[in-house]
Amino acid sequence: SAVISQKPSRDICQRGTSLTIQCQVDSQVTMMFWYRQQPGQSLTLIATANQGSEATYESGFVIDKFPISRPNLTFSTLTVSNMSPEDSSIYLCSVELAQTHEQYFGPGTRLTVT
Amino acid sequence: RKEVEQDPGPFNVPEGATVAFNCTYSNSASQSFFWYRQDCRKEPKLLMSVYSSGNEDGRFTAQLNRASQYISLLIRDSKLSDSATYLCVARPYGQNFVFGPGTRLSVLP
Repeated sequence: SAVISQKPSRDICQRGTSLTIQCQVDSQVTMMFWYRQQPGQSLTLIATANQGSEATYESGFVIDKFPISRPNLTFSTLTVSNMSPEDSSIYLCSVELAQTHEQYFGPGTRLTVT
Repeated sequence: RKEVEQDPGPFNVPEGATVAFNCTYSNSASQSFFWYRQDCRKEPKLLMSVYSSGNEDGRFTAQLNRASQYISLLIRDSKLSDSATYLCVARPYGQNFVFGPGTRLSVLP
């Protein structure tokens, strides 16, 4: 398995501001992902964080709104830019282990935009 | 049609009961399958991978039927601590994981 930490665990932000969420893994992994989960909903994939290149975004998500960094194989950040109340959600990072293809999640960041 | 579908529940069962969840997937290229459980306000945690031959882990049994494109999870002797949302996940070859909407289980004393 993998141990993943995220910072911050929660935040309350004003609209129009930006928040950067950090994700740290205890081992080197190739595949890292960022998800969003609205209350009572399942997970929606935002993007795959690629080390050394631009992230791969899913339909409906764009780099200007959700810039992602992946400077190495153990760390990634997701920024939620120019926030609005609709961005209030839980943001989760995850990693996929190459050998088993199992996916493990960080504890999530609960974001509230007022 | 959603790629991965599950009965949303909720399933309300008494302690000690056996409960079964079904999940269907539409992409026949799906190769990897998993069950996750998610407690309220927590992240999803891997419960078990699902293999073609089926697999069992204690009270939990997962089955895969490729011909019918469905996955099942059986929980025997339910405990109060089994109360959670169970997420079915399929992964087509070369593509990203696809999560189902989840099935909520409440085990009642």
